[in-house]
Amino acid sequence: EAQVTQNPRYLITVTGKKLTVTCSQNMNHEYMSWYRQDPGLGLRQIYYSMNVEVTDKGDVPEGYKVSRKEKRNFPLILESPSPNQTSLYFCASSQTGGAPGELFFGEGSRLTVL
Amino acid sequence: GENVEQHPSTLSVQEGDSAVIKCTYSDSASNYFPWYKQELGKRPQLIIDIRSNVGEKKDQRIAVTLNKTAKHFSLHITETQPEDSAVYFCAVGRSNFGNEKLTFGTGTRLTIIP
Repeated sequence: EAQVTQNPRYLITVTGKKLTVTCSQNMNHEYMSWYRQDPGLGLRQIYYSMNVEVTDKGDVPEGYKVSRKEKRNFPLILESPSPNQTSLYFCASSQTGGAPGELFFGEGSRLTVL
Repeated sequence: GENVEQHPSTLSVQEGDSAVIKCTYSDSASNYFPWYKQELGKRPQLIIDIRSNVGEKKDQRIAVTLNKTAKHFSLHITETQPEDSAVYFCAVGRSNFGNEKLTFGTGTRLTIIP
C-alpha cells in the first residue's frame, strides 16, 4: 500500500529536550516536505527536499532541522523545542518533474512542548 | 511571495444544500489551484485541482471555478451530505515550480447539518 508514515503520532515533551519526528514514504517520490498546522493559520511549510541531499527552507524554518540521506526518509529534528512549536505536524511527498501535483500526506504528529 | 486568502473560515449548511468556499491570490503568474479535504483527525487529501488553461472543472458533486482576471477561485459542493463535513484547504502554485512553491489558505471548516 502506497503511504507516508510518520512517528511518533503523539508526543509530549519538555522545553529543550531534543526530539526527532521520522517520516518515510514507499512511493519512490523525489519531493518531500514538512508542514505545521495551527488553528487559523492553515498549513505552513517548514522545510522541503527536492531529492537526496537537497533540502531548503520553507516559510517557517526557525527552530527546525531536516536531513535527506535516503530517498524514502525525511526526518524533522527539533534541537531545543520550545512551547511555540506545539503543533500538528505533517510530512508529505510527491513526484517532481517541474510542475506541482498531488501531495500525499502522512497521518500527522501532534506535538506538545511543556 | 504569494498571499492566499480563504473565506469563510467556518460554514454551516443544511444537508442537501450547496456550499461555496472562495480563495483569492496575489501573484498573477500562479496557475495551479488544488483543493484538499481534511476530515476530523485525518490527513489532508486532494479532492480536485485546476490549472489555468481551464475555467471550470467538475467531479461528481464537486466543482472548482477559476477567474484569473480577478485572481480568485472557488470550490462548489452540491447536494451536500454528512460526509462532506471537514476542513477544506485551497492552495496556489505555479507550473514552472514544483510543490515547493505551493501556498495554502487558512482553511474552511464546513459542517453539514442533518
